[in-house]
Amino acid sequence: NTVMTQSPTSMFISVGDRVTMNCKASQNVGTNVDWYQQKTGQSPKLLIYGASNRYTGVPDRFTGSGSGTDFTLTISNMQAEDLAVYYCLQYNYNRTFGGGTKLELK
Amino acid sequence: EVKLVESGGGLVQPGRSLKLSCAASGFSFNDYWMGWVRQAPGKGLEWIGEINQDSSTINYTPSLKDKFTISRDNAQNTLYLQMSKLGSEDTAIYYCARDGYSPPYWYFDFWGPGTMVTVSS
Repeated sequence: NTVMTQSPTSMFISVGDRVTMNCKASQNVGTNVDWYQQKTGQSPKLLIYGASNRYTGVPDRFTGSGSGTDFTLTISNMQAEDLAVYYCLQYNYNRTFGGGTKLELK
Repeated sequence: EVKLVESGGGLVQPGRSLKLSCAASGFSFNDYWMGWVRQAPGKGLEWIGEINQDSSTINYTPSLKDKFTISRDNAQNTLYLQMSKLGSEDTAIYYCARDGYSPPYWYFDFWGPGTMVTVSS
């Protein structure tokens, strides 16, 4: 099983901040990583697929990068509506989610 | 409009079985892989498994392979999750999701609202 470790588990941020969160795979997964956003009480939503491809309609302040074992999701200009939990998911072998990074207001 | 709606959740006693359904509409169901994901209260997402278009390939997360069975009925545009020997650890919201594919990329592009399963005596 490929384990996905996200860090940090939570972040306190302010509107306008640049936010960076990480996801580390226990083995090489190439660029077979997606990022999802889940707001409280809602289903997850796809943000990034293939490590760096922004999904349709996702604002360009969301950027994904990385390959191999290390991946990053960056929000360049944090908005209040971006408060959520963010999950990475690898699909190189079956699928496994990371534990999530929760963004909270400072 | 793509729509996925799960049903069949509720309160179930430990050791019993339960079958969830996911009704799909707004797209050609038999052209897509489909998957199940669950989320225990206050916890993260856990991938359960996936099924291909003609049910010839079904993959599971190893820890659930002997307890859960995924199936589909393309004529009814419905995905199923049969769960057996349920325990308190299976208490969760269960989501179905469509497996999108833009070669070489895979992603869950549409999700249902989820159905809650509570395992308790």
